[in-house]
Amino acid sequence: NAGVMQNPRHLVRRRGQEARLRCSPMKGHSHVYWYRQLPEEGLKFMVYLQKENIIDESGMPKERFSAEFPKEGPSILRIQQVVRGDSAAYFCASSPFSETQYFGPGTRLLVL
Amino acid sequence: GQQLNQSPQSMFIQEGEDVSMNCTSSSIFNTWLWYKQDPGEGPVLLIALYKAGELTSNGRLTAQFGITRKDSFLNISASIPSDVGIYFCAGQGSSGGSNYKLTFGKGTLLTVNP
Repeated sequence: NAGVMQNPRHLVRRRGQEARLRCSPMKGHSHVYWYRQLPEEGLKFMVYLQKENIIDESGMPKERFSAEFPKEGPSILRIQQVVRGDSAAYFCASSPFSETQYFGPGTRLLVL
Repeated sequence: GQQLNQSPQSMFIQEGEDVSMNCTSSSIFNTWLWYKQDPGEGPVLLIALYKAGELTSNGRLTAQFGITRKDSFLNISASIPSDVGIYFCAGQGSSGGSNYKLTFGKGTLLTVNP
């Protein structure tokens, strides 16, 4: 009974490159959430998706960031043309309905 | 936006001592949650509180949902070295807002000296 899986666990990118973060929700969960955690801060909501639909992207920067949760396969958080300020831990959570969220281990992104 | 004030920011205690931390909010939440995060890992849910005034235990952990729905505390009794980590409070579901978005405090770093 695997939990939420995220890969890669660590990602290093140079400024201007693209970062692609993947999240596989728990089995039976159709709701996915992405959060960002800056050093010594709490997690901040970015986006909420259900299969093939973005429900709420109010916490996501308007430019360079996008998210998807296709019918088949993992949810993807994509950051284009990364900048140093994008360095953070990105966590994915999933839930069966819009309730208790279970978190993955996160992807630590470092932009050089 | 909504903000959670979590205190203390850090605690350094001796093994066997009890610990208390709390969160206050400028607005009402329908659910309060407490998570623990170990280094390099994601938050793990410890306790969920769904009703104002509710007092819930999970082993050595006890948490309460304040009657004003704007605060919560977490107590850890008889601490052990594996309690080390960062503890986060989170509010979920507010009036006029979404029922899914979690708003997190900044965390309490707990260090237990054996």
